[in-house]
Amino acid sequence: DAGVIQSPRHEVTEMGQEVTLRCKPISGHDYLFWYRQTMMRGLELLIYFNNNVPIDDSGMPEDRFSAKMPNASFSTLKIQPSEPRDSAVYFCASSRQATNEKLFFGSGTQLSVL
Amino acid sequence: KQEVTQIPAALSVPEGENLVLNCSFTDSAIYNLQWFRQDPGKGLTSLLLIQSSQREQTSGRLNASLDKSSGRSTLYIAASQPGDSATYLCAVRQNTDKLIFGTGTRLQVFP
Repeated sequence: DAGVIQSPRHEVTEMGQEVTLRCKPISGHDYLFWYRQTMMRGLELLIYFNNNVPIDDSGMPEDRFSAKMPNASFSTLKIQPSEPRDSAVYFCASSRQATNEKLFFGSGTQLSVL
Repeated sequence: KQEVTQIPAALSVPEGENLVLNCSFTDSAIYNLQWFRQDPGKGLTSLLLIQSSQREQTSGRLNASLDKSSGRSTLYIAASQPGDSATYLCAVRQNTDKLIFGTGTRLQVFP
């Protein structure tokens, strides 16, 4: 398996623009997580899905953030409108159904909002 | 609210040294604890996962221990190498599917 695949690797945009980050989890993994990493706050969980259903979005900072998982092999995280404080590395991760399974991360998307 | 702390924040050691990284958590009601490695500009790689019923896990030169009652875990790296240079993060899973991450220890091993 190719692992968790994220795109794009880097995104530079201007304040106010819409940003869409994409993720393909490992085949057979039923859990998908979106994290954000900054120097100041470390790794923060934004939202996670189980079997394509959003379970907990309490980490989503504002209504400007939204996430979808239309099928088992694809998820998006959208920011509209983007702001400079959204600049961070966004990671997608996936794991199997059982809670005692390792979490596998993608390489992340480095987002810069100017 | 669970809080995960890692000490030290940074560590620089000469090649060949045995070293210990520390992770502490405030709520001992955990399902498991994972240690991850993160290289600059990369995602996280899971190194070891310790179930709440286990005391330790080993993989090659790495050994992780867990003391749930005291809220502590250690990652022991034997005979460190320059290739071990990375940031090491621990994360605990409680009665949900979420992992709570520590802030990490940045390790540099110099030749």
